Amino acid sequence: EVVLTQSPGTLSLSPGERATLSCRASQSVSSGYLAWYQQKPGQAPRLLIYDASSRATGIPDRFSGSGSETDFTLTINRLEPEDFAVYFCQQYGTSPKTFGQGTKVEIK
Amino acid sequence: EVQLVESGGGLVKPGGSLRLSCLASGYSLSGYSMNWVRQAPGKGLEWVSSISSSGNYLYHADSLKGRFTTSRDNAKNSLYLQMNSLRAEDTAVYYCARGGLYCSGSSCNVIAFDIWGQGSMVTVSS
Repeated sequence: EVVLTQSPGTLSLSPGERATLSCRASQSVSSGYLAWYQQKPGQAPRLLIYDASSRATGIPDRFSGSGSETDFTLTINRLEPEDFAVYFCQQYGTSPKTFGQGTKVEIK
Repeated sequence: EVQLVESGGGLVKPGGSLRLSCLASGYSLSGYSMNWVRQAPGKGLEWVSSISSSGNYLYHADSLKGRFTTSRDNAKNSLYLQMNSLRAEDTAVYYCARGGLYCSGSSCNVIAFDIWGQGSMVTVSS
C-alpha cells in the first residue's frame, strides 16, 4: 500500500499570498498518477490536479501541481477567499487508491 | 449535466445492514471504473472500494474484512455498496466517485476521481 503523508497539517495565510502544500509517498507513485482535491465544509471533494501536474476542467491557473516519484507539491498562487479549504492528495495508479490525511489552508 | 447521486443512507443499529445506491446521469456509467470513498465526521477521505467497468474486477479496503460488497448495473447506470455487520466506526459520509480506468473500444486510460456524488450519511448507533 502506498502511504501518502501531507504537510503541513494546517497552513495559515492571508489572501494574496502563495500556498505550498507537500505530499510525500512511501514508494514511487505509479506513472505519476497523483491527484489533488479541494474540499469545503459540507461539500464533496473537487478534482483540481491529475497526473501530478494537469489542471482539471475549469480550475483556475493559480493552481499548479508538480513533482514525481515520491515528492509532489500543490501550489496556489495569490490565494483568493474561496481557496481556503482542505486539500487532499491521492494516488490512483494502484489499489488501494490511497489518500493523504489532508492540509487545511486557513485564513490568517 | 454529468452527476452522481447517492441514496440509501440513514441510521442503522450495530450489526445491521444497509445498501447504498449511486445513480449516474448525463453520461453512461459503462466504460468507467467506479469507486466508493468514505469520510468519518471531522476526518479525512478513506478509499473503500473500486469496481471495473464490467464489474469483473473488485477491490475493497482490507480494513473492511469482507463486510462490504460493491456491484454495478450498467443498464441502470447505477453503482451499489452493500454494507453488512455494520459497526460504529463505519459511521461516515459515503461518496461514489467516477475514476480509476476509462475504456473506450480497445483503448484504456487511467483517470483520477473526476466526478463525485454529494454523499450519503450512514450512522451506526444503537
